[in-house]
Amino acid sequence: GAVVSQHPSWVICKSGTSVKIECRSLDFQATTMFWYRQFPKQSLMLMATSNEGSKATYEQGVEKDKFLINHASLTLSTLTVTSAHPEDSSFYICSARPGQGGIGNQPQHFGDGTRLSIL
Amino acid sequence: GQNIDQPTEMTATEGAIVQINCTYQTSGFNGLFWYQQHAGEAPTFLSYNVLDGLEEKGRFSSFLSRSKGYSYLLLKELQMKDSASYLCAVSTYSSASKIIFGSGTRLSIRP
Repeated sequence: GAVVSQHPSWVICKSGTSVKIECRSLDFQATTMFWYRQFPKQSLMLMATSNEGSKATYEQGVEKDKFLINHASLTLSTLTVTSAHPEDSSFYICSARPGQGGIGNQPQHFGDGTRLSIL
Repeated sequence: GQNIDQPTEMTATEGAIVQINCTYQTSGFNGLFWYQQHAGEAPTFLSYNVLDGLEEKGRFSSFLSRSKGYSYLLLKELQMKDSASYLCAVSTYSSASKIIFGSGTRLSIRP
């Protein structure tokens, strides 16, 4: 089945550091990938839609300059949390869907998530 | 806008049946998903409904009524490992068919 790989699984770093998270679709091409954030005991909140070869689409309230997204190939999207602070500590999860956007019955396949802790 | 509602918490007994409800209001509805998420892990896909009716898959079944904006996930023969959060999510006809998640229902199974 479709597999999405996310790296790293855990990051602990000092405040002010920039952190890059990678999301790869291993056995399918994904023109679109999605980045979510999840705080403890809360649901997944969509941060942005990553579009291959073009700018990401950010959800309302998500800072574009804070969360930089690059989708340079059909199998890789990256999320960079710039100048991270303790309030950015969260569980970040990426997902991708096989096939083109608009195919409703293709489930999103999730990476294993990245637990980010900013000291 | 979009709104997805589901109960925050539920408790059920091992071996029993539990139904988790989800109501939604959205424009451009393009299907409803159920995901299971264990604590500290990523969600895993359970089911998809786009037409009205019941979809059965082993111990899990999912129902959809588009006219009522209503779905439920039915879990039979509950096992302790079914203790998890269950996320209702709606797909929309946007340029990327993004999926929006409800707040999730934390299900606890007691012996």
